[in-house]
Amino acid sequence: AQKITQTQPGMFVQEKEAVTLDCTYDTSDPSYGLFWYKQPSSGEMIFLIYQGSYDQQNATEGRYSLNFQKARKSANLVISASQLGDSAMYFCAMREMNTGFQKLVFGTGTRLLVSP
Amino acid sequence: DADVTQTPRNRITKTGKRIMLECSQTKGHDRMYWYRQDPGLGLRLIYYSFDVKDINKGEISDGYSVSRQAQAKFSLSLESAIPNQTALYFCATSAPGQGSRNEQFFGPGTRLTVL
Repeated sequence: AQKITQTQPGMFVQEKEAVTLDCTYDTSDPSYGLFWYKQPSSGEMIFLIYQGSYDQQNATEGRYSLNFQKARKSANLVISASQLGDSAMYFCAMREMNTGFQKLVFGTGTRLLVSP
Repeated sequence: DADVTQTPRNRITKTGKRIMLECSQTKGHDRMYWYRQDPGLGLRLIYYSFDVKDINKGEISDGYSVSRQAQAKFSLSLESAIPNQTALYFCATSAPGQGSRNEQFFGPGTRLTVL
């Protein structure tokens, strides 16, 4: 069964510094996708970045990058040059491509606090 | 205008009451989902639908039912609400297709409290 683990309940970072949020996953499906979502205090879920299991390069989207280590089954989110607005909950999620529905499974999240 | 809308945004109800949460989308997506979020547990899938004629149970469907009235509308019902159904509920949509990104787009959420 697919599983996502986020071991950091909370992280602190100073403004303008980089921070890494950890995510490990478990799946037997060779084809899968990994997603990161941001949930600010207002509650909405905002898609940040995607990595496919067969992608050769690590995904990047502006200040977000994904450190994808397939052999270690990890998909850590790196936020560069943190901003106060980055304070939020961050969720890692995975979808197995070969299951009948491609269900998205979420981790428990990491709360990031950016300080001035 | 929001692509995925949910009504109501907040609801307080009593144990035993029937509650319906509604979701509408203008993204033209075939796939729609209902999740609930509890503190410390992330999001868990309640029901999902490929299209109007296809509805499937997720991992925590007990106590819930859904209706896909049209491609753009997907409603979640709690037939007899109980306090442990107090949670933040999200509707989401995605485009069809296998092997591609197809990220899910979420509505703003409905905060439900069952007293």
